[in-house]
Amino acid sequence: NAGVMQNPRHLVRRRGQEARLRCSPVKGHSHVYWYRQLPEEGLKFMVYLQKENIIDESGMPKERFSAEFPKEGPSILRIQQVVRGDSAAYFCASSPLRPSLLHFGNGTRLTVT
Amino acid sequence: KNEVEQSPQNLTAQEGEFITINCSYSVGISALHWLQQHPGGGIVSLFMLSSGKKKHGRLIATINIQEKHSSLHITASHPRDSAVYICAVDLNTGNQFYFGTGTSLTVIP
Repeated sequence: NAGVMQNPRHLVRRRGQEARLRCSPVKGHSHVYWYRQLPEEGLKFMVYLQKENIIDESGMPKERFSAEFPKEGPSILRIQQVVRGDSAAYFCASSPLRPSLLHFGNGTRLTVT
Repeated sequence: KNEVEQSPQNLTAQEGEFITINCSYSVGISALHWLQQHPGGGIVSLFMLSSGKKKHGRLIATINIQEKHSSLHITASHPRDSAVYICAVDLNTGNQFYFGTGTSLTVIP
């Protein structure tokens, strides 16, 4: 069974470009979470989604960031008009229900130049 | 003030030592998670606890709900246990997770 798959593993964007981060949860998992880890800092919750629904996006910046988890296909975290401060590791996790043990992807390391 | 506090922040141990990492939290929770993050950055879930104690191999996790405290123990530590150990809490109200800042463990051969 495949675990949580995130791609790309590394992403370099120039200021002002868009970044799209993808997360395919474990098969059968309907709960997806996105977290951000800034350099030298701890993990921070961003958003919690179930299929086609955003359950809680209270950890996400109000502007430029959006997330979706469509009926078909991976969950997408989208960052528009990236700035240097967006440089971080973005982790996705999934679970079959809540609360439940989390399965993490390997993360996407975003670098904004 | 952080909702989740871990101690110690850094820990160096000799191979074979018994290790304890502590986590205190200040909010009502439905579950507490212990995570392991290796130098390459990948994160592995070790335990999810809502009461009592769990054991997996050389790892033991305990939680005291009344005292809002959890401990992660590693018996017979090994250099491959070197990693950052992170405590996270799943709130019983709302949908947030709160994370501790992590304990960086180095086990010396």
